[in-house]
Amino acid sequence: RKEVEQDPGPFNVPEGATVAFNCTYSNSASQSFFWYRQDCRKEPKLLMSVYSSGNEDGRFTAQLNRASQYISLLIRDSKLSDSATYLCVVNSGDKIIFGKGTRLHILP
Amino acid sequence: DAGVIQSPRHEVTEMGQEVTLRCKPISGHNSLFWYRQTMMRGLELLIYFNNNVPIDDSGMPEDRFSAKMPNASFSTLKIQPSEPRDSAVYFCASSWTSGNLGEQYFGPGTRLTVT
Repeated sequence: RKEVEQDPGPFNVPEGATVAFNCTYSNSASQSFFWYRQDCRKEPKLLMSVYSSGNEDGRFTAQLNRASQYISLLIRDSKLSDSATYLCVVNSGDKIIFGKGTRLHILP
Repeated sequence: DAGVIQSPRHEVTEMGQEVTLRCKPISGHNSLFWYRQTMMRGLELLIYFNNNVPIDDSGMPEDRFSAKMPNASFSTLKIQPSEPRDSAVYFCASSWTSGNLGEQYFGPGTRLTVT
């Protein structure tokens, strides 16, 4: 099992819809989790941290499921500007591992 | 406030040449990371410094790669000799250790092409 796995997509979603994707991790001792966003030919940018209790930032909701070892990102009322690749990041204390990302295309 | 600064933004070189990539982290950040990104392998951590000291260089592919951080505001990644398979985008990122290492701020990257 890979250390961090994401569905590469692409997810093609109409504008205004809700979309969610997951990221699984193999190390049960992983301590902290993040979602990054990367636009085409740009650098990754921190989108949000993922707390044990879950957290919400506007249209974005991130959740952690330790029992099943995955994190999720939900985007409500999707906008054209949400089109990007979403990378999950797992911090296992001694290692920081980026997933390969899920590509999201919001369709007009 | 300036973000992470990298130079050059683009580099095209011939196989066998030495390549030096440069990074200036965000002022006040004490951790610095070098990454390489390709379509096939995604984003790979090459090396990580904390307070200018290399902490984890297990991602450095081979002896042709070396990284230094002579002070808190400057780091270099050197490839000597370069090979076509080194072609990738190289990112530098910085963070504040007392926060969370996963909260990193990336530079714009250096797109390296080795012919």
